[in-house]
Amino acid sequence: QKEVEQNSGPLSVPEGAIASLNCTYSDRGSQSFFWYRQYSGKSPELIMFIYSNGDKEDGRFTAQLNKASQYVSLLIRDSQPSDSATYLCAVREGQNFVFGPGTRLSVLP
Amino acid sequence: SAVISQKPSRDICQRGTSLTIQCQVDSQVTMMFWYRQQPGQSLTLIATANQGSEATYESGFVIDKFPISRPNLTFSTLTVSNMSPEDSSIYLCSEVRGTDTQYFGPGTRLTVL
Repeated sequence: QKEVEQNSGPLSVPEGAIASLNCTYSDRGSQSFFWYRQYSGKSPELIMFIYSNGDKEDGRFTAQLNKASQYVSLLIRDSQPSDSATYLCAVREGQNFVFGPGTRLSVLP
Repeated sequence: SAVISQKPSRDICQRGTSLTIQCQVDSQVTMMFWYRQQPGQSLTLIATANQGSEATYESGFVIDKFPISRPNLTFSTLTVSNMSPEDSSIYLCSEVRGTDTQYFGPGTRLTVL
């Protein structure tokens, strides 16, 4: 099975800072990439998806994709304590989704 | 967005027994998945629930252990059979709408004693 890798963290940032979450994937043929947020004890919720190289912005969130480097990242601007959660990177392989191990983000007030 | 319900939300079971988890979605969808999330771990796909045909299982998961039903486009069940403590986990169903938008149910937290 193809792999999706993330730094498990925890990543700690002060409130108001930019949080940068990174993900690498092994399947060069992957075309669809996703970021999910999972609060403790809750199920994952989709934050963003990206298909094309470059940046995609949605509010405080920016996803960045570099297919040549097989790298996708998520930037969270003006981080808030409510952003504290585990962030899961996922890659579509055929009909299935392969998830990374997740990065735990802690935003300190 | 999607409305997905799962029953039960949690259960504590004895070794050797079986538990059936139900997943109901609010509109007809083609693709439904079942995942397992062990404590502190990410999501592992168990199988794709196919309407009108057998489920498609991922490597490491077999039908005898995790039988799945999908009688229609809004409902699916996952049974965890002959349970052992290693099956203690959160089980999540999901649906995919449009091309890639995946929504998850609230999960079933299973503890096997």
